[in-house]
Amino acid sequence: ETGVTQTPRHLVMGMTNKKSLKCEQHLGHNAMYWYKQSAKKPLELMFVYSLEERVENNSVPSRFSPECPNSSHLFLHLHTLQPEDSALYLCASSQEAGAYNEQFFGPGTRLTVL
Amino acid sequence: RKEVEQDPGPFNVPEGATVAFNCTYSNSASQSFFWYRQDCRKEPKLLMSVYSSGNEDGRFTAQLNRASQYISLLIRDSKLSDSATYLCVGAGSYQLTFGKGTKLSVIP
Repeated sequence: ETGVTQTPRHLVMGMTNKKSLKCEQHLGHNAMYWYKQSAKKPLELMFVYSLEERVENNSVPSRFSPECPNSSHLFLHLHTLQPEDSALYLCASSQEAGAYNEQFFGPGTRLTVL
Repeated sequence: RKEVEQDPGPFNVPEGATVAFNCTYSNSASQSFFWYRQDCRKEPKLLMSVYSSGNEDGRFTAQLNRASQYISLLIRDSKLSDSATYLCVGAGSYQLTFGKGTKLSVIP
């Protein structure tokens, strides 16, 4: 399935590195999301974009910086991360941003911070 | 704190068995609910949406009790391919709140 794609699939970075995660959706959706999934914890919503505007920011540290240049692409820029930021980062999209919209997830980027 | 609580399991059941998962939520403002399944090291995929009192799709039945703030998922005639982690999700305006998931293993 190629509805929502994410690159890279795996990433190892040091605490002083700068990297970016990329997400692309081919579904014609208007809303995109970033989630973090850590071991033994529920998925945590990080950011919500609706029509390229950020509508939700769940108290995420500034070392995570999202960017949504258009409704098909979403980036998560990473800098000076901590080892506890190691997790699976999932991108999702939905037709609209709202409670009754099914979200489709990408395969995720598994991030390890050394 | 807005939370969704699930029994983590694991539930180990034989093929053909009926199994039920319960989920409770604390945010009474949640407008809709979903059950997602997540296979090991894969992304979550939608199993069912629950907007009113319940929903049924083949072997799967979801029920919502807003007064008691719980959602259930019933799986009948379990298949080996049903083995996965089942995530209960409550949805508000822009927020989806996920439970930690319940792990199901269907045994031959």
